[in-house]
Amino acid sequence: AQRVTQPEKLLSVFKGAPVELKCNYSYSGSPELFWYVQYSRQRLQLLLRHISRESIKGFTADLNKGETSFHLKKPFAQEEDSAMYYCALKNSGGYQKVTFGTGTKLQVIP
Amino acid sequence: DAGVTQSPTHLIKTRGQQVTLRCSPISGHKSVSWYQQVLGQGPQFIFQYYEKEERGRGNFPDRFSARQFPNYSSELNVNALLLGDSALYLCASSPYSSRNSPLHFGNGTRLTVT
Repeated sequence: AQRVTQPEKLLSVFKGAPVELKCNYSYSGSPELFWYVQYSRQRLQLLLRHISRESIKGFTADLNKGETSFHLKKPFAQEEDSAMYYCALKNSGGYQKVTFGTGTKLQVIP
Repeated sequence: DAGVTQSPTHLIKTRGQQVTLRCSPISGHKSVSWYQQVLGQGPQFIFQYYEKEERGRGNFPDRFSARQFPNYSSELNVNALLLGDSALYLCASSPYSSRNSPLHFGNGTRLTVT
């Protein structure tokens, strides 16, 4: 069974401080990991995925297969980063079952 | 370019009733997935349809069913509603059924069962 764990429901940081949103996963195959974000009054949208190895809005995430983690990081938090963040895992089967974590609310304090 | 559209936005039903939720994918997207999001939880996979065929099903009872039409729009049906079915139902579309195809979500339908 695949599982995604986000241990923090709420993470509060000051503007300019580093941010790390934790995500651990459990999956027996080769995972595809994502971070989705939901800003206030907006729809859930893709932030980044591990296969792209890109930085979006200053955020990066590295897949660590040894620690089964996919933590989301940003060196300097901005107020506009305040949102709900979901870590997600897609199965390796022929269809798109995506398992989401319970989400972490990031609150950036001015 | 229009995103994924869902209707209705809100719905109130009574226990035991049936409900139909609708989703129109982004133009050109052939895959539609349905997710249930209970308050305080992440979205939970219900179904995926691709080219009008069911490709995957989550751990939901048979009261939940769905279909996809030739224009790739989709309906989610829930029979014999229970209080626990109260949730935000999200539809997501993608061009393909494969792994390398991120999901594009609609705004959801908020279902309240009383």
